[in-house]
Order: sequence, then structure tokens, then C-alpha cells
Amino acid sequence: DGGITQSPKYLFRKEGQNVTLSCEQNLNHDAMYWYRQDPGQGLRLIYYSQIVNDFQKGDIAEGYSVSREKKESFPLTVTSAQKNPTAFYLCASRHSGSSYNEQFFGPGTRLTVL
Amino acid sequence: AQSVTQPDIHITVSEGASLELRCNYSYGATPYLFWYVQSPGQGLQLLLKYFSGDTLVQGIKGFEAEFKRSQSSFNLRKPSVHWSDAAEYFCAVGPPPFGNEKLTFGTGTRLTIIP
Repeated sequence: DGGITQSPKYLFRKEGQNVTLSCEQNLNHDAMYWYRQDPGQGLRLIYYSQIVNDFQKGDIAEGYSVSREKKESFPLTVTSAQKNPTAFYLCASRHSGSSYNEQFFGPGTRLTVL
Repeated sequence: AQSVTQPDIHITVSEGASLELRCNYSYGATPYLFWYVQSPGQGLQLLLKYFSGDTLVQGIKGFEAEFKRSQSSFNLRKPSVHWSDAAEYFCAVGPPPFGNEKLTFGTGTRLTIIP
């Protein structure tokens, strides 16, 4: 079955540590996105990538980094510079060549900083 | 800049009752509009989308939404809710394809269903 997978589902980290969240898709989508979700704030865009080896900052990129070495993969690193990293992180993808631009979402990773 | 407002943070309805969730948008051109649903601890699932044409669009799970340009609204409706509809609902607006591809989401409306 085609879809988006995120791992792990739950992640705990100590303050000062970097942590990487995985996002993989087998939908052959060109564009991929990372969102952060906090209660009452909806989804906020962290980074997005429209093609391999290229990505752009979203609205809240500070303290995060990404890479796009493969079409299928778009890992997000939460660095120690992110002041309040505890949140639910959602990855999404979209087929850029389509006349429709809806995004498809993964199941999310809940990150908790101890 | 594009924006989305969902004025109701939390709505409670009885099972079998009708439902309307409000969404107002701000966008400088023809908007592309979406409704997504999220169950607790899960990702988002697309309910329906509007790009052009008939202003009343049908989606999955018996939901529909009506685009009203004069009111800048895209309200979601369902004639009779089921307990399984309890979830959080997000409205989103975006540019035409091949634009900057960024969707803007509202802050969501949490729906509670009572027996």
C-alpha cells in the first residue's frame, strides 16, 4: 500500500540533544513538508522541499534542519537550538505535477523533551 | 498574505443532529480550499477540496462544504453526525498548483458528540 510513514511514533529526548525524525513516502510525490502542531495553534510549516536536494524554510524554521537526498525521504532534525521542541510533528507530501495540490499526511511523531 | 479563521474552538452536538463548522479565509486570488479531519494522535485525512466549478462539494464520510465567495467562507456540513465523527477538523487555503505550494491551516475545531 502506498503511503507516508513516520518513525518513531513517540520520541523522548533530553535537553541539549539533537534528534532526527524520519519521514518516508512511496507515493512518488515530488514535494514534501514538515509541520509542527501544538494545542490550539493548528499546523505550522517548518520546512518544505519541492525537489531532491532543494528545500525552503517555512514559517518556524529556527532550530530545525532538513535534508532531501532521496525523493522518498525527508528527515527532520530538531536541534538543541529549538527552545521549545515538545510537540506533535507531521510530515506530508504532494504530487507537484498534479492539477490538485492537496497534501497527504503521515501518522505523526510526538516528541517530548525531558 | 493568506489566512484562515475557524471561529469555533470546540463544538458539541448530539448524535444524529446536523453539524456546521465555520471557516473564513483571506486570499488575494481564487483560493484552493480544503477540509481535513484528525483523530486523536493521528495524521490528517482529507475530507474534501474545492478548486472551481460547483460551489457545493461533496466529500467522504457524508460531509459537504459550500464555497461562498461573497462571504469568504467555506463551511463544512453534515446532516446527521455519528459518534465516529468526533475528531478535530481543519480548514486550509492554498495557492493554485505550481505556485509556492504552501497551505495555510486554521487553528482547528474540536468536535465532541454526545449520545
